[in-house]
Amino acid sequence: DTAVSQTPKYLVTQMGNDKSIKCEQNLGHDTMYWYKQDSKKFLKIMFSYNNKELIINETVPNRFSPKSPDKAHLNLHINSLELGDSAVYFCASSQDLDATEDEQFFGPGTRLTVL
Amino acid sequence: AQSVTQPDIHITVSEGASLELRCNYSYGATPYLFWYVQSPGQGLQLLLKYFSGDTLVQGIKGFEAEFKRSQSSFNLRKPSVHWSDAAEYFCAVDLFSGGYNKLIFGAGTRLAVHP
Repeated sequence: DTAVSQTPKYLVTQMGNDKSIKCEQNLGHDTMYWYKQDSKKFLKIMFSYNNKELIINETVPNRFSPKSPDKAHLNLHINSLELGDSAVYFCASSQDLDATEDEQFFGPGTRLTVL
Repeated sequence: AQSVTQPDIHITVSEGASLELRCNYSYGATPYLFWYVQSPGQGLQLLLKYFSGDTLVQGIKGFEAEFKRSQSSFNLRKPSVHWSDAAEYFCAVDLFSGGYNKLIFGAGTRLAVHP
């Protein structure tokens, strides 16, 4: 079974649309993250949630709204999509939020293309 | 500000040759350092990590890395590269601030392996 899964794997949409990416982890972890990897492969954290509570919000536009219905899921909703939102979005999870030793497990990524 | 620099954007080696990927960090406190690998179309996988103790760290797939505080470096090495090692490699430092951890990634080094 995949530890961290994301759907869809590819997402192509028009500017101005609203879309969602789903993430699920079956590792029993308390903390989940969203990262954005741009066209230059630069990877940057966007959000983190711990026990369904928002912990990190890295000055991401409020068109991006993460939602965590339970500890195992962290979905990313994006409103009014813009060309600059085109990227690969990675979900990740770790056991705890403040334990440095905890490894983050990454999902396979969702490649979002905005036309 | 905390940062991670990977000076080499792209490296090509022959199969069987040795490999060294460079990573330099800027961080005021004792750094917690990681190397991740991203195979094409895949998520990130942890290769190894350094927290404390022995400065030479062994990881998976035959990789090792050496922490050198005096040089602010954490270079990744492998004595003999295999074609399957072709991938993108990311160095990261764990920033602990405000009660939570956040990974800061370098821009990545793309490794190509010639047969």
